[in-house]
Amino acid sequence: AQKVTQAQTEISVVEKEDVTLDCVYETRDTTYYLFWYKQPPSGELVFLIRRNSFDEQNEISGRYSWNFQKSTSSFNFTITASQVVDSAVYFCALSEARDAGGTSYGKLTFGQGTILTVHP
Amino acid sequence: DSGVTQTPKHLITATGQRVTLRCSPRSGDLSVYWYQQSLDQGLQFLIQYYNGEERAKGNILERFSAQQFPDLHSELNLSSLELGDSALYFCASSVAGGGTDTQYFGPGTRLTVL
Repeated sequence: AQKVTQAQTEISVVEKEDVTLDCVYETRDTTYYLFWYKQPPSGELVFLIRRNSFDEQNEISGRYSWNFQKSTSSFNFTITASQVVDSAVYFCALSEARDAGGTSYGKLTFGQGTILTVHP
Repeated sequence: DSGVTQTPKHLITATGQRVTLRCSPRSGDLSVYWYQQSLDQGLQFLIQYYNGEERAKGNILERFSAQQFPDLHSELNLSSLELGDSALYFCASSVAGGGTDTQYFGPGTRLTVL
């Protein structure tokens, strides 16, 4: 069974600090997809990034960057120069390309989330 | 705005009652997913539909049912409600419904059972 662990329940930083949110996953599949979602105080879930298991290149988007390491089954998310607007709950999620029977379906398994608070 | 709409935004009801949550997917998306977010269980996958057919089932209670209609909107029916059913219910949609898809989430329906 697939599993996602976000060991950091809560992180508190001061504006302009860099912060890294950890994500460790477990899967038996060789083909899988990893995601990060943001849930701001308003409650909606906002898609941030998708990465497939064959692409270990790090990705940078503005102040956001992601480090995918298959060897340690980790997909960590770093916010550089954090801002108050980054305060939210961040979720890491995993989907497998196919289930054991070969059917392609899109169930996402989420981690428990990390509450990030950025203080001014 | 993800393009996924959910109604109502808030729902307050009593134990034993039945409610229906509605979801309209993004234009062009054929697959709809339902998730439940609660404090003790976190975000849990409930069920997935693809083009009107059930594709996958997760931790969905027998008191809960869902369907996807020909116009691709979906409804989640919750019956014999219990206090523990209070949660935020999300609908998501994706293009094809496979594991490679990105799911875009609606704003959620917050259900409170009193």
